[in-house]
Amino acid sequence: AQSVTQLGSHVSVSEGALVLLRCNYSSSVPPYLFWYVQYPNQGLQLLLKYTSAATLVKGINGFEAEFKKSETSFHLTKPSAHMSDAAEYFCAISGGSNYKLTFGKGTLLTVNP
Amino acid sequence: DAGVIQSPRHEVTEMGQEVTLRCKPISGHNSLFWYRQTMMRGLELLIYFNNNVPIDDSGMPEDRFSAKMPNASFSTLKIQPSEPRDSAVYFCASSPLSLNRVVNTEAFFGQGTRLTVV
Repeated sequence: AQSVTQLGSHVSVSEGALVLLRCNYSSSVPPYLFWYVQYPNQGLQLLLKYTSAATLVKGINGFEAEFKKSETSFHLTKPSAHMSDAAEYFCAISGGSNYKLTFGKGTLLTVNP
Repeated sequence: DAGVIQSPRHEVTEMGQEVTLRCKPISGHNSLFWYRQTMMRGLELLIYFNNNVPIDDSGMPEDRFSAKMPNASFSTLKIQPSEPRDSAVYFCASSPLSLNRVVNTEAFFGQGTRLTVV
């Protein structure tokens, strides 16, 4: 079975500060990992995905994530937070013959002026 | 493409009534997923279709829930009878995923249907 754990249900940062959202995974097969963002009353939008081509993945809106197999992690970062980044962020996993996207519980990001 | 289209966006119904949620996937996508989002349980996969065939319905809560995909451009999720604990946001997602391909294709989500059962 595959799973992801997002550490911290709520992260608060100041505008301009580093954003770090944590995701650890568990998988018995090489995983595919995703970060999605959900704005209020909206569906989920893909930020970036890891598919084994490169361990450092760049996504939209200045976000990036690094796949670290030794740490079973796929943390999401952004050097400088913007007010528009305030949203809920979900880490998700699939892989092998598993077509299911299994989501973490989500991390709500608040950006303070 | 307009993306995944769900209707209605909001639904308020009385306990015991039948509720039907609708989804139009992105044209050309051969996989369709129904998810349910609640505060307590997060995002849960209810059912997965590939080429209009239900592949995995193990996430469907109980017999009150049913889903159909009569063709490649339309799917429904029905709850009959509805109960207050069914209140949630229901998302439909589609993907160009093929069961025979490496599974690394993301799912594209609709805006969701917010269901309230009173």
